[in-house]
This record gives sequence, C-alpha cells and structure tokens, in this order.
Amino acid sequence: SSELTQDPAVSVALGQTVRITCQGDSLRSYYASWYQQKPGQAPVLVIYGKNNRPSGIPDRFSGSSSGNTASLTITGAQAEDEADYYCNSRDSSGNPWVFGGGTKLTVL
Amino acid sequence: QVQLQQSGPGLVKPSQTLSLTCAISGDSVSSNSAAWNWIRQSPSRGLEWLGRTYYRSKWYNDYAVSVKSRITINPDTSKNQFSLQLNSVTPEDTAVYYCAREKEGLWEPWGQGTLVTVSS
Repeated sequence: SSELTQDPAVSVALGQTVRITCQGDSLRSYYASWYQQKPGQAPVLVIYGKNNRPSGIPDRFSGSSSGNTASLTITGAQAEDEADYYCNSRDSSGNPWVFGGGTKLTVL
Repeated sequence: QVQLQQSGPGLVKPSQTLSLTCAISGDSVSSNSAAWNWIRQSPSRGLEWLGRTYYRSKWYNDYAVSVKSRITINPDTSKNQFSLQLNSVTPEDTAVYYCAREKEGLWEPWGQGTLVTVSS
C-alpha cells in the first residue's frame, strides 16, 4: 500500500484551474515530485523540488507544499493535460522512495 | 541527452526468474551523483519502487521491503548498464517494469517500459 495518498480522479473544465494533492507524513520533511503519465507511455517529470519545472514543461504547471500535503496546480488546463499524475517523495520509513497511487485527470 | 533502453523477455513462467537490463547512454552507471532504479506498475499496485544501485566510492544497493528476499540489481560497468533479477515470480509480479535515473531528487529519464507477464 502507498504511503502517499492521492485522490483517484479529478476533473476540470477546459481552461480552468485544477489542483491535485498528495498527502503523507514524509512530505513534512521532503518535497514531492510530480509525474505525468499518458496511456502507453512512461511517466514524465513535470515538477520537482520546491516548485521547479524541467525544461519543456509549460509554466501552467506549478507545485506547492504545506504541512503533510503537496499540490500540483494546472492553471488553464488544456486537453493535452488529460493524463494520470503521480507524486513521489523520499520515504520516512522503510524504503528510500515512495510513489502515490495516482490521480486520473479528465479535462472536460 | 540521457537515454535508457530496456531489454528482456516479456513472458516468464511462475517460480522462474525475471531478468531485465537497462542500457544507459549519455551518463555513466558509475556516476557519483545518480542512482539507477527499477520501478514497476500494475493496476493493483500502481507505481512501486523496487530498488536501486548507485556508486559513491563503492557500490550500494537498496531494495524495497516487499521484494527484498527475491531481488538483485547489478551494475555492469563494462557495458554501462544495470540489471534487475526477480526470483520465484508469481502472477502477482505481472507488471510493466521501468528503469529510471534519480539524480538530486529528479527522476528522469525513464526507460520505455517492459510488460512482463508471469504465466505458464
């Protein structure tokens, strides 16, 4: 079972803003990273650290953190943002790394 | 540009050993700042970190508690690659297996993924 908890599914209207959250005790000590995964493809890093985007990731993606919750915000969601989103972080017990269960984002 | 290319069989019989290889280009398996990981993904387990190998003046390995008794990850410096062996597989080990580099908290790139089915 995952030590990082995500909502299984979230929906957003085209052009609107959506927040995807990730909860876990380890997030009080470590930043989360966020990954986008489209069907049949490997995950792609979209946010890491405090709020950093790899090159090529649109600036509508941003990250934040408060207490035991990390958030990925998409401001002005586009159709191509429809995907599964996963968080990961260093683990505070047992394994060095842990992934969240994933959130399926639907853009309406 | 760093790339990871996975290879290995897509079908393994129950009780046998799953073996996959991840070839690295654009970086070194002996890098002092990277760790080389295996992750798997299934509908029932989601993304599951399995283990890693990394070099910091000597070689280290870490394995997930869930598979620790069955897993081996080895670096191959001569071929600049690393491998995964998972013993005594069952149908529960059926998943898409990925290799990935972790460097300073950044998990990129990932390999293309290999669907491994455990079935007789």
